[in-house]
Amino acid sequence: QLQLQESGPGLVKPSETLSLTCTVSGGYISGSPSFWGWIRQPPGKGLEWIGSVYYTGTTQYSPSLKSRFIVSVDTSKNQFSLRLDSVAVADTAVYYCARRDQQLALGWEDWGQGTLVTVSS
Amino acid sequence: QSVLTQPPSVSGTPGQRVTISCSGSTSNIGSNYVYWFQQLPGKAPKFLVYRNNPRPSGVPDRFSGSKSGTSASLAISGLRSEDEANYYCASWDDSLSGPVFGGGTKLTVL
Repeated sequence: QLQLQESGPGLVKPSETLSLTCTVSGGYISGSPSFWGWIRQPPGKGLEWIGSVYYTGTTQYSPSLKSRFIVSVDTSKNQFSLRLDSVAVADTAVYYCARRDQQLALGWEDWGQGTLVTVSS
Repeated sequence: QSVLTQPPSVSGTPGQRVTISCSGSTSNIGSNYVYWFQQLPGKAPKFLVYRNNPRPSGVPDRFSGSKSGTSASLAISGLRSEDEANYYCASWDDSLSGPVFGGGTKLTVL
């Protein structure tokens, strides 16, 4: 059974850099016909797709967030990551990592448990 | 303000059938597939319906999706207490070149 686990700081100061990692177990990122992505959810609000990466390194980003986030993959560690520079209070959210089949544009079938990131001084 | 519009809440009694609507436009639902997710309190979303109607393996056939024009619906029959959750619709938006979600609908089982 595929499992995804997010890791990273729970508290980040405004203007600092946020880095999150998703570790995949029970399967391999390399060679998998899947996209590995990040989706966030501000407290009490809805879902927002951030971006995704294929094992080859090909990335897709939300047009409204594209310039702020970087998604990357490290197949040797079976991990993929999210980086956000110059965080703001509005970036406070639960961040989920997830997997979808490459044929299903929004078919996020496997999810991590989510990690709450609070941006506060 | 979400691109896809869902009612904030719906409710039903055990055994009843409820539907959750999702309204969009020609750039999203009108020209692309609709997906549905269930989010139990404090949990990650769960994939319920893809490409308007099919269900991933393991999702009960009590859940069914449909689409007509620029709107979609999720029907839940034989309502159970464990169905109490937030439900989100999603679709690709050609104008925005990315996925869009509805604001979510809280289902309460009375």
